[in-house]
Amino acid sequence: DGGITQSPKYLFRKEGQNVTLSCEQNLNHDAMYWYRQDPGQGLRLIYYSQIVNDFQKGDIAEGYSVSREKKESFPLTVTSAQKNPTAFYLCASRPVGGIDNEQFFGPGTRLTVL
Amino acid sequence: KQEVTQIPAALSVPEGENLVLNCSFTDSAIYNLQWFRQDPGKGLTSLLLIQSSQREQTSGRLNASLDKSSGRSTLYIAASQPGDSATYLCAVKSPSSYKLIFGSGTRLLVRP
Repeated sequence: DGGITQSPKYLFRKEGQNVTLSCEQNLNHDAMYWYRQDPGQGLRLIYYSQIVNDFQKGDIAEGYSVSREKKESFPLTVTSAQKNPTAFYLCASRPVGGIDNEQFFGPGTRLTVL
Repeated sequence: KQEVTQIPAALSVPEGENLVLNCSFTDSAIYNLQWFRQDPGKGLTSLLLIQSSQREQTSGRLNASLDKSSGRSTLYIAASQPGDSATYLCAVKSPSSYKLIFGSGTRLLVRP
């Protein structure tokens, strides 16, 4: 099955810990994205990557880091510098070029800081 | 700066009713607009994508329209069913950016 997988589904973090959220896609999409969603709000962009070994900060990148060593993978690290990390995190991907460039989403990871 | 607004924030209708969800955006220079559905605790499912050159797109009981000049899009759901209950989000992409700008969504409840 083609799609985007995120793991884990639920993640609990203690204060001061770094945690890494996994995102993998087998859609052969060039572009990948990380969004954060808070209750009752729309999605806010954390980081995005248009190509392997390149990524750009989104609107709320502070306290987060990413890597893009493989086309299929775009892991997100939530560092201890992120002041309010409890949220629902969504990974997405999109083909680059062409007319129909819908963005597809994974199932999400819910991060809770204890 | 592009801003996307969805009104109302929540909507409750009886089963079988036809309904319209609204999405407005401040900058008419968009590349495309996408409607998504989100079930509680789940990711987003793409429903319809409208290119800037298109006026509407249809998929089953769903019809999305786009009026760039007025900065508006509507999602029409015909003969609503309880299974349509979810949050519906719209998002726009500008020609010069790789990112989508999202509205905060409309939470729909279809009562049996």
